[in-house]
Amino acid sequence: SQKIEQNSEALNIQEGKTATLTCNYTNYSPAYLQWYRQDPGRGPVFLLLIRENEKEKRKERLKVTFDTTLKQSLFHITASQPADSATYLCALVLFTGGFKTIFGAGTRLFVKA
Amino acid sequence: DGGITQSPKYLFRKEGQNVTLSCEQNLNHDAMYWYRQDPGQGLRLIYYSQIVNDFQKGDIAEGYSVSREKKESFPLTVTSAQKNPTAFYLCASSPGTRQPQHFGDGTRLSIL
Repeated sequence: SQKIEQNSEALNIQEGKTATLTCNYTNYSPAYLQWYRQDPGRGPVFLLLIRENEKEKRKERLKVTFDTTLKQSLFHITASQPADSATYLCALVLFTGGFKTIFGAGTRLFVKA
Repeated sequence: DGGITQSPKYLFRKEGQNVTLSCEQNLNHDAMYWYRQDPGQGLRLIYYSQIVNDFQKGDIAEGYSVSREKKESFPLTVTSAQKNPTAFYLCASSPGTRQPQHFGDGTRLSIL
């Protein structure tokens, strides 16, 4: 069956450390992979996109890797801050005649001061 | 300032009642989407529209209906046929279906 898996357990880290979130998928061949941030009671906000032929993408303190062999993306936040506390969603963009986006359930991140 | 506006933020429905959730965007995006978010689950697609006067069912369309009469507006009606409507509903838009989506801040629907 097709699945997107993000760690359902919350990730707790200390301020200043690097947070690493994982997105695994099975039986999909995504054209793109996106990461979004969602705060409680708010809609998701797009952060980064990485294409299937790209290994790594960076934006300020954020870094995304994409391994199509392992079917895995890692999302890193370096020098984390309490303001980074949120739920982070990964999304696969599939091409099946047209484009379709499939969202994971997200991982909750808590950064302690 | 461009964005997506969903209203109301909280909505209560009585048994047997239809309710309509509003979604308006001023981003000039062609594609619009409705999702349902339940605790511990990913966003599930209800309906989407790639262009005015056209829309397609998503993965969980039963008990819902939409219209797309204007580019800016994509209202969602939760009908009485939807037996478990309590959820957080999110509207999104994008220039096309391959681009990242911009989301509104959601409507939380509860049953009285």
